[in-house]
Amino acid sequence: DTGVSQDPRHKITKRGQNVTFRCDPISEHNRLYWYRQTLGQGPEFLTYFQNEAQLEKSRLLSDRFSAERPKGSFSTLEIQRTEQGDSAMYLCASSPTTGPFYGYTFGSGTRLTVV
Amino acid sequence: GENVEQHPSTLSVQEGDSAVIKCTYSDSASNYFPWYKQELGKGPQLIIDIRSNVGEKKDQRIAVTLNKTAKHFSLHITETQPEDSAVYFCAARKYNFNKFYFGSGTKLNVKP
Repeated sequence: DTGVSQDPRHKITKRGQNVTFRCDPISEHNRLYWYRQTLGQGPEFLTYFQNEAQLEKSRLLSDRFSAERPKGSFSTLEIQRTEQGDSAMYLCASSPTTGPFYGYTFGSGTRLTVV
Repeated sequence: GENVEQHPSTLSVQEGDSAVIKCTYSDSASNYFPWYKQELGKGPQLIIDIRSNVGEKKDQRIAVTLNKTAKHFSLHITETQPEDSAVYFCAARKYNFNKFYFGSGTKLNVKP
């Protein structure tokens, strides 16, 4: 198992363009999370999946953001009509369901720069 | 929701010295507190965690303490090494909730 994989590692896009990021969690983890991290800040929760069901979304996730996990394996995060304020590191994490006390395993993130 | 505050924002120590990072949380229902280390260009990595029914936990040079009454918890790194240089984040979560609230991070610099 190679851990949580995110692709691409870096993305530069022009304002107004759409971007899509992919996350492959640890295979036996059925919980998957997306967080956003801006410079000098801790990660902020965006959304959470258990298997293919999206169970929670943050108010940070505007209508321009959509996330999917179609078969309960990998997930995609799409941002439509990107704005400069969307520039951030987008982190994916996964965790098992067993037990209430567990931390996440994070991927290395996708750094988005909107110019 | 929960509010996690972390101090200091930067910490510089000499190799071999100890480092202490402190966090406070606002929601008394929070019961799980992990610490993450983030190196440049990488995602956060879990280094140690503590549950609310435990006051202290140690793993080699790293320890975490929790004071539930005061709602604060701390990370202690002893005998620091240059490879400990990174940004450290504390986090808090309530039982049966799925999201963590993170502190704003502490940039630790260990000078050789």
